[in-house]
Amino acid sequence: GAVVSQHPSRVICKSGTSVKIECRSLDFQATTMFWYRQFPKKSLMLMATSNEGSKATYEQGVEKDKFLINHASLTLSTLTVTSAHPEDSSFYICSARTGGGTTNEKLFFGSGTQLSVL
Amino acid sequence: DAKTTQPPSMDCAEGRAANLPCNHSTISGNEYVYWYRQIHSQGPQYIIHGLKNNETNEMASLIITEDRKSSTLILPHATLRDTAVYYCILLSGGYNKLIFGAGTRLAVHP
Repeated sequence: GAVVSQHPSRVICKSGTSVKIECRSLDFQATTMFWYRQFPKKSLMLMATSNEGSKATYEQGVEKDKFLINHASLTLSTLTVTSAHPEDSSFYICSARTGGGTTNEKLFFGSGTQLSVL
Repeated sequence: DAKTTQPPSMDCAEGRAANLPCNHSTISGNEYVYWYRQIHSQGPQYIIHGLKNNETNEMASLIITEDRKSSTLILPHATLRDTAVYYCILLSGGYNKLIFGAGTRLAVHP
């Protein structure tokens, strides 16, 4: 099946630094990717939808200047957490659509990134 | 908001069938029912999806009621590795967002 690679899997950083998370679709072109964050024992919360070559669409309450999303190619989207603070500590997950809008369209997920801000 | 409702938790004995229900009474005609599961600290894993016919693959079976207002995911012989949170989600072609509900936490015990 299709594979979505996400890294790093875990990152620890100091408060005030920026962290970049990469999400790659390895064997298909993903015109649309989604970014989620998840707190312990909670469900995934959609942060933004990323379309190749255009600006990301952010969900209400998500600061676009805080969480920078770039989707410069059909196989790569990045999420940069700028000036990270302890409250940004969370599990971040990306996903990618196989596209086509057909009955066989699927959504595949990366393995997630655990961000810890000290 | 998620358009599906699921029981928060379920238990199942190893080797028995696990039947996970999902209600989606406001489903639209062009929406598919998708099931994913998430094992602790990993990304969600695709299981199965269907429109109105029952579906089966190597992982599970999906039973959708005739009125499409509910469905059941069946794991025919649950193992300890099936312990996870299972999410039932509605998607239509060309969707622009995917919203997760709370899911069902399935615990498989020896």
